[in-house]
Amino acid sequence: AQKITQTQPGMFVQEKEAVTLDCTYDTSDPSYGLFWYKQPSSGEMIFLIYQGSYDQQNATEGRYSLNFQKARKSANLVISASQLGDSAMYFCAMRGSNTGNQFYFGTGTSLTVIP
Amino acid sequence: KAGVTQTPRYLIKTRGQQVTLSCSPISGHRSVSWYQQTPGQGLQFLFEYFSETQRNKGNFPGRFSGRQFSNSRSEMNVSTLELGDSALYLCASRYELDTGELFFGEGSRLTVL
Repeated sequence: AQKITQTQPGMFVQEKEAVTLDCTYDTSDPSYGLFWYKQPSSGEMIFLIYQGSYDQQNATEGRYSLNFQKARKSANLVISASQLGDSAMYFCAMRGSNTGNQFYFGTGTSLTVIP
Repeated sequence: KAGVTQTPRYLIKTRGQQVTLSCSPISGHRSVSWYQQTPGQGLQFLFEYFSETQRNKGNFPGRFSGRQFSNSRSEMNVSTLELGDSALYLCASRYELDTGELFFGEGSRLTVL
């Protein structure tokens, strides 16, 4: 079975500082994908970044990077130079081929950026 | 390109009633999935449809059902509403089942009184 764990229910970060949001996963799939989504208070889930299990390089998208450690089964999201607009819920998710490519989500981390 | 559209955005029902929520995916996307989001339970997977066929199903009672039409639009129905069904229902679409990310709508917020 697939499982995603986010152990930080809430995080605070000073504006312009970097922050790391933790995500660990459990899967027996040889091939899988890892995703991060942002959910502002409006409710819509916004895709941020993707990492494939066979990708050698860590994924980066602007101020977002994914610290992928396959042996540790972790996929932490790093947000550099935090902005007030980064305040939101952040969800880690996984998709695996052995489970019909269904997405599994973690419970989320609430990030608050302090001016 | 228009995003995923969900209607209605907000609705209030009473216990015992039934509700139908609608989702129009991004043009060209053939997969639509539904999630229930509550503060205590996070995102819970309901079901996924691809080319009008249910491909995956979560662990929800039979009161929760869905369907997908030939134009990929999807509806989900909840019958005999309970207080615990109050939640944000999110719809997501993707082009294929084995690649790419999910694109989400803004959700339908259901309150059951």
